[in-house]
Amino acid sequence: KQEVTQIPAALSVPEGENLVLNCSFTDSAIYNLQWFRQDPGKGLTSLLLIQSSQREQTSGRLNASLDKSSGRSTLYIAASQPGDSATYLCAVWGYSGGGADGLTFGKGTHLIIQP
Amino acid sequence: GAGVSQSPSNKVTEKGKDVELRCDPISGHTALYWYRQSLGQGLEFLIYFQGNSAPDKSGLPSDRFSAERTGGSVSTLTIQRTQQEDSAVYLCASSLAQGPYEQYFGPGTRLTVT
Repeated sequence: KQEVTQIPAALSVPEGENLVLNCSFTDSAIYNLQWFRQDPGKGLTSLLLIQSSQREQTSGRLNASLDKSSGRSTLYIAASQPGDSATYLCAVWGYSGGGADGLTFGKGTHLIIQP
Repeated sequence: GAGVSQSPSNKVTEKGKDVELRCDPISGHTALYWYRQSLGQGLEFLIYFQGNSAPDKSGLPSDRFSAERTGGSVSTLTIQRTQQEDSAVYLCASSLAQGPYEQYFGPGTRLTVT
């Protein structure tokens, strides 16, 4: 059964710092990996999707990398801003093992950017 | 265009009552997913629909949970005889098709069972 772990569980940094959020998964047989952002009381917003054949994706100040063989992904946030404060979730879509088919999520990293 | 919508946004119910949660996917999206997010837990996949095909129910936590999708669009998640452990945020997502496509999430329904 696929398991996704995110480290750290919480992070608080001053505004302007560059930071890295980590995600690891136990089964490397995945189609893709997706990073989401969740603001309090709201749904998930997709940030980046990396296909299994890709190594990284970039969007603005965000860069996500994927090392499928080692079961790891990182989300790099450059020049952090208070508006980046949210919970960041990592999710993988694994090969269907004959059971339910959907994304497997980590528990998230709660990020606070101090003004 | 309009995103995924869910209703109600909040629902408080007494233990033992039945509840219905609604999801309206993005127009043109044939795949629809339900997830549950409990306090302190990650998102848990419940069920998905592809068009009008019968859903895969193996992710549902108990037989008190059921879901249907009418006309390949709107979906309803029903929880019968609610228990306190059913308290959670229920999220719906849709994608262009079933499979490893990007999923777009609704704002969720926060269910509280008293």
